[in-house]
Amino acid sequence: DADVTQTPRNRITKTGKRIMLECSQTKGHDRMYWYRQDPGLGLRLIYYSFDVKDINKGEISDGYSVSRQAQAKFSLSLESAIPNQTALYFCATSDSRGRYQETQYFGPGTRLLVL
Amino acid sequence: QKEVEQDPGPLSVPEGAIVSLNCTYSNSAFQYFMWYRQYSRKGPELLMYTYSSGNKEDGRFTAQVDKSSKYISLFIRDSQPSDSATYLCAMVVQGAQKLVFGQGTRLTINP
Repeated sequence: DADVTQTPRNRITKTGKRIMLECSQTKGHDRMYWYRQDPGLGLRLIYYSFDVKDINKGEISDGYSVSRQAQAKFSLSLESAIPNQTALYFCATSDSRGRYQETQYFGPGTRLLVL
Repeated sequence: QKEVEQDPGPLSVPEGAIVSLNCTYSNSAFQYFMWYRQYSRKGPELLMYTYSSGNKEDGRFTAQVDKSSKYISLFIRDSQPSDSATYLCAMVVQGAQKLVFGQGTRLTINP
């Protein structure tokens, strides 16, 4: 969905490096989320933010941090990357004012490989 | 036990077949149910949204919810090769902070 963009789309890094994944949205939604997807484990929530001043941990936040720079931007950082953080990462948004506020809209994903 | 269980497949059927995808859940507080479709190398996209027991139809797709059995299904009629994708169920408690996803079922429709 072009309304939610993620950069980079692919990234290879080495163990111990700090990297940042970025997400931007033009949907005007107030809520943003970061997930990782692993084969056999489905989508797991890392962090979520309901507005610029609200940041919450998800079920697997260890080793990650986030920054909500603006309503439209939500970044995910891996402070010191490790191989088991190799995964597909998705950003998603939702609108708390919408009729179907539980519905989330996903970006195209970032494929991360940690060597 | 996971809150949401979904058979990961893979599931392979011939073109034109009726496909049935299912999820079971343990939390009786779930009130809203969704099906997402994810094509290879793409993000999940919302396919169906339901919030009550019964059936909801949209073209070739029917979403069914049975809250008494804690069971939801997605039926695809006249399946097409373009339906080949991973299908994820998702559900949420009203007012809760996050969706709970199933593992996803990988579906292939063979021409």
